[in-house]
Amino acid sequence: KQEVTQIPAALSVPEGENLVLNCSFTDSAIYNLQWFRQDPGKGLTSLLLIQSSQREQTSGRLNASLDKSSGRSTLYIAASQPGDSATYLCAVTLYNFNKFYFGSGTKLNVKP
Amino acid sequence: DAGVIQSPRHEVTEMGQEVTLRCKPISGHNSLFWYRQTMMRGLELLIYFNNNVPIDDSGMPEDRFSAKMPNASFSTLKIQPSEPRDSAVYFCASSLNSGIGEETQYFGPGTRLLVL
Repeated sequence: KQEVTQIPAALSVPEGENLVLNCSFTDSAIYNLQWFRQDPGKGLTSLLLIQSSQREQTSGRLNASLDKSSGRSTLYIAASQPGDSATYLCAVTLYNFNKFYFGSGTKLNVKP
Repeated sequence: DAGVIQSPRHEVTEMGQEVTLRCKPISGHNSLFWYRQTMMRGLELLIYFNNNVPIDDSGMPEDRFSAKMPNASFSTLKIQPSEPRDSAVYFCASSLNSGIGEETQYFGPGTRLLVL
């Protein structure tokens, strides 16, 4: 069974700092990996999707990398802002299935 | 597009009562997912449908839970009888499963269920 782990569980940084969130998964036979953002009391919003054949994806200040062989992904946030405060979850799908396995998330607080 | 629509947004009920949660996926999407989120267990996939057919219901906790998708624009998740441990936020999500690895799931706002 695929297990997804996210470290740290919570992170507090001052505004403007660059930061890295980590995600690891046990089964490297993944189809794709996604990073989601969840604001309090809201649903999840997809930030970046990396297919298994790709190594990274970028969107604005966000950069996600994928190392399938080691079962790791990182989400890099540049020049963090208070509006980035949210819980960030990573999720993987196994090959050829649309079933997501979610990590427990990293709760990020960016202090003004 | 209005996104994924869930109703009700909040539900408070007493133990033993039947609860029905509703979901309208994004038009044109052919996959639909029901998730449950709790502090203790995080986000868990309960069941997912592809083209209105249940594909994997291994996450459904027990026989008290049932889900249906009578057509491409509507799904229900029913709990009967409800128990306090069912208290959670239930999310519905939909995606377009094109089979080429670019699918993302779009989540609804969730239904907050409290069983007293």
